Parts: sequence; structure tokens; C-alpha cells
Amino acid sequence: GDSVTQTEGQVALSEEDFLTIHCNYSASGYPALFWYVQYPGEGPQFLFRASRDKEKGSSRGFEATYNKEATSFHLQKASVQESDSAVYYCALSATSSGQKLVFGQGTILKVYL
Amino acid sequence: DPKIIQKPKYLVAVTGSEKILICEQYLGHNAMYWYRQSAKKPLEFMFSYSYQKLMDNQTASSRFQPQSSKKNHLDLQITALKPDDSATYFCASSHWGGKGAETLYFGSGTRLTVL
Repeated sequence: GDSVTQTEGQVALSEEDFLTIHCNYSASGYPALFWYVQYPGEGPQFLFRASRDKEKGSSRGFEATYNKEATSFHLQKASVQESDSAVYYCALSATSSGQKLVFGQGTILKVYL
Repeated sequence: DPKIIQKPKYLVAVTGSEKILICEQYLGHNAMYWYRQSAKKPLEFMFSYSYQKLMDNQTASSRFQPQSSKKNHLDLQITALKPDDSATYFCASSHWGGKGAETLYFGSGTRLTVL
């Protein structure tokens, strides 16, 4: 079945550090790819999405580029802030998975002053 | 104001009992979903509905029954509760155009604890 793998379970950074969270997917066809962020006590919030190869999604300083050859959609941010501390989820939606969102395991980001 | 309302926010139940989780959305969407989040399986898809009809069901147990009385409501009835049902249940909604890959928007969840 379709799946999403996030390499990092937890990432700890200092403010103004560069962030990369790795996301790789496995799916038939051409899935849409998403990033969501979840703060404590809240539901996942949509960050952005990309639907075709080489398309860049971005929001709030975060960005990721759809790479079909590498089957990746890595999240990056140039300079993180303490307020970015949250859990980040990569997800896909594909015809082969009935168009529902399939989520990765999530990456806990902690940013220290 | 929250656009997807889930009630209650916290719920404690005893093993064997029955509970209903409430979800209402005011985004004008025509599709609604339930997801479950636990330590074992973060964000696991359960059901999807469009125009009040079941589209997809990935829940093995018939103890979980979605109920849609209105197009912007999708409640979740859980019977014969077990401790393993303890999790946070998220309702979500989207516009469903029939071509897939729609963006989902989530409520803040109901945290269920079964003793």
C-alpha cells in the first residue's frame, strides 16, 4: 500500500538554525504531497501542498519541492524560531489509496532559545 | 471561531460502554472524515463520507459506526469500548470534487480514555 516515511523522529535546533525534515513516499501513479503541522492540544493544520513534479509548496517560511525521481518532499526552513516547535507530518493523497490522506509518523521539532 | 467543532474535548468511559463523538463543520465542505491518533499509530484514517454517503472505511471493527444526520455533521459512535480504543479522534473535512487530492482541514479532536 501507499506509505510515507519521515526519517527523523525528533529534531532539536537552536533559533535561527536551518531546518530539514526528510520525507519519502511510496505510491502508485502521481500522488499529491502535503505538509501538516500539529501544536499541542490541537488538530493538524495544513501548511502547504504540491501536486506535480518540481512544484514548490511554501507557507510561513517553510518550503518543500516535489521530487518524483527521488520520491521525496523534504521540508525546509532557513531560520527556525521557538514558535516553530511542533510536530510536522508529511502526507500523500493518491488514487491508489482511495484519495484519503496517508500520513507519515511525524517529526517532533524542538527549537531552543 | 473554529470552523470544525468537535465535542466533547475530553471523554472518559468505562470498558464495555458506548460513546458518541460529535463533529460539525462550517466550512461548506461536502466531505468529512474521521482519523485516530495514538502513540502506536499517529494519524490513522478511519472513514470518509461525501454527501452523507460512505466513501471509504478502513476500520476493521464494526464497533465504530459513523452517523451523518446532516451534510455538515459526521458523528462517530463507538460501542463496547475497550482500553485499546483510547486515543484522540480527529474529524476533518474537505471539498470533494470527485478527482481526489483534496486538502483536509481538521478539528481540535476528542481525547478518549477508556478505563
